[in-house]
Amino acid sequence: NAGVTQTPKFQVLKTGQSMTLQCAQDMNHEYMSWYRQDPGMGLRLIHYSVGAGITDQGEVPNGYNVSRSTTEDFPLRLLSAAPSQTSVYFCASSEQRDTQYFGPGTRLTVL
Amino acid sequence: DAKTTQPNSMESNEEEPVHLPCNHSTISGTDYIHWYRQLPSQGPEYVIHGLTSNVNNRMASLAIAEDRKSSTLILHRATLRDAAVYYCILRDNFNGNQFYFGTGTSLTVIP
Repeated sequence: NAGVTQTPKFQVLKTGQSMTLQCAQDMNHEYMSWYRQDPGMGLRLIHYSVGAGITDQGEVPNGYNVSRSTTEDFPLRLLSAAPSQTSVYFCASSEQRDTQYFGPGTRLTVL
Repeated sequence: DAKTTQPNSMESNEEEPVHLPCNHSTISGTDYIHWYRQLPSQGPEYVIHGLTSNVNNRMASLAIAEDRKSSTLILHRATLRDAAVYYCILRDNFNGNQFYFGTGTSLTVIP
């Protein structure tokens, strides 16, 4: 199993650009989440999904959109990137309310 | 949401036991206590979790106070590979998949 994979590993955007961070898992997990981690801080929950077609907001959802059309994929979209969105983004998946498995992260810089 | 309080940093000598404390005075009856750790430049990884009773696994032990208002993660013999940020997280077993990370405890292991 590959576990949780994220692409790209690194990305530089200009203010106002849009992009999609990809997340995929091959463990058939129902639950998937997106977090951001700013320097020296813990992770903050952006959006999460409890199954295909169901998503909900976390602590810091503004500026981000998600969708969950399949069990495997949970992309995170930045509609109009801002410097405040410079961060490391982690995707995670879990079976119901069990252990979360995290991906390796995407390091995003917005200029 | 119930929050946790951890020391910002701790040090330990290699091959000695480490006790990482966590206070969660507002814990509810349905909150599980989870511990994750984050090695440098990696996503968090699961360490251990429990509800009321002490728990042991191959990585660590979790000691939970009788009133559940605090807990301690115990690493029995610290190695250099245990240097990481350790997060104590409360997870409501009836409230979806939301994990709320704090800033954690940065553990330094001294050779």
